[in-house]
Amino acid sequence: DTAVSQTPKYLVTQMGNDKSIKCEQNLGHDTMYWYKQDSKKFLKIMFSYNNKELIINETVPNRFSPKSPDKAHLNLHINSLELGDSAVYFCASSPLTTGPIEFFGPGTRLTVL
Amino acid sequence: GEDVEQSLFLSVREGDSSVINCTYTDSSSTYLYWYKQEPGAGLQLLTYIFSNMDMKQDQRLTVLLNKKDKHLSLRIADTQTGDSAIYFCAVLTGTASKLTFGTGTRLQVTL
Repeated sequence: DTAVSQTPKYLVTQMGNDKSIKCEQNLGHDTMYWYKQDSKKFLKIMFSYNNKELIINETVPNRFSPKSPDKAHLNLHINSLELGDSAVYFCASSPLTTGPIEFFGPGTRLTVL
Repeated sequence: GEDVEQSLFLSVREGDSSVINCTYTDSSSTYLYWYKQEPGAGLQLLTYIFSNMDMKQDQRLTVLLNKKDKHLSLRIADTQTGDSAIYFCAVLTGTASKLTFGTGTRLQVTL
């Protein structure tokens, strides 16, 4: 059973489109995250949710909107996609808001043309 | 904000020890972690150390923490080809779980 799953694995789209990436965890964790990894492999946190409430919102353009319908899901919706949004997006979860993030999803490679 | 730096590349021969270094800037960091990322894959948590510890050993992995110099290292004993990957150190600061990642070190293991 996959602990943290993301769909889709690959996403290729045109500039200006709107797209969503879904994330689900079956670990019963309270906290979920979105991280962005750029082409140079730099990893930066975008958002963190605890029990469906937003607790970290880094300086991310408001074209990015996370949505947590329940504790097990944290989806990422991106409006008006730009070339610079091309990256690998990782979802993650942890049982607490402090302590290690043990489980990352496999990543979604987004390519904006 | 927190800055976490690593050297970009390390090449070692199979069977040798690898030492991957990391420096950070925020002295209030609580937990420090090492992650491994294989090509095309997600991140795997290898080990972590709490800031009041100097050393942690876990099988072939040894983590050393020098709080005074804000320096963290990961030693992999008897490095194998399967250890080839990118290794990220990450530092947890603040009350919210803000994890700042280093730039990643690509470890290449040669025969």
